[in-house]
Amino acid sequence: AQKVTQAQTEISVVEKEDVTLDCVYETRDTTYYLFWYKQPPSGELVFLIRRNSFDEQNEISGRYSWNFQKSTSSFNFTITASQVVDSAVYFCALSGVHGSSNTGKLIFGQGTTLQVKP
Amino acid sequence: NAGVTQTPKFQVLKTGQSMTLQCAQDMNHNSMYWYRQDPGMGLRLIYYSASEGTTDKGEVPNGYNVSRLNKREFSLRLESAAPSQTSVYFCASKGNRSGNTIYFGEGSWLTVV
Repeated sequence: AQKVTQAQTEISVVEKEDVTLDCVYETRDTTYYLFWYKQPPSGELVFLIRRNSFDEQNEISGRYSWNFQKSTSSFNFTITASQVVDSAVYFCALSGVHGSSNTGKLIFGQGTTLQVKP
Repeated sequence: NAGVTQTPKFQVLKTGQSMTLQCAQDMNHNSMYWYRQDPGMGLRLIYYSASEGTTDKGEVPNGYNVSRLNKREFSLRLESAAPSQTSVYFCASKGNRSGNTIYFGEGSWLTVV
């Protein structure tokens, strides 16, 4: 079975603080994909990043960085120097290989609500 | 630059009424999905369609039916709405290659009273 756990339900920080959102996943697949999505107060789901299970290289995009550790089945997301506009619900998700029983569908974590206060 | 378009955006239904949520994508994607989002539970898959002409149940299919009308369109029908179906519904689509990003519509807020 596949499962994604985001243990942090809500996080509140003050602007300019760094914040890390945790994501732990379970899968029996040897090849899989991990995603992060952002859901701002307006409600839409915005794609942030996709990682292939074969690629454990960390990635940085501006103030965002992602730490993928296959050994601990974790895919954590860090926002550096947080801003009020970062306030949103963040979802981690897992997808199997298209063509398998998973058919590429996403399994979501419960989401972490991030509040950045001015 | 439409992407995934779903309608209606907001709907209030009475218990027992029926309705259909419409979804269309213009990205020539093979796979389409319907999710529901409830507080504290993330997004859960209702039904999906891996290709035109095929549909399969997801995690929470009870009370719903779907139709993959053509490659572009994938509708979700509530035959007899129940208060437990009050939720935000998201349609999504994905290309046919492994690891392709899934793109979501803007969501449909449904309230069943």
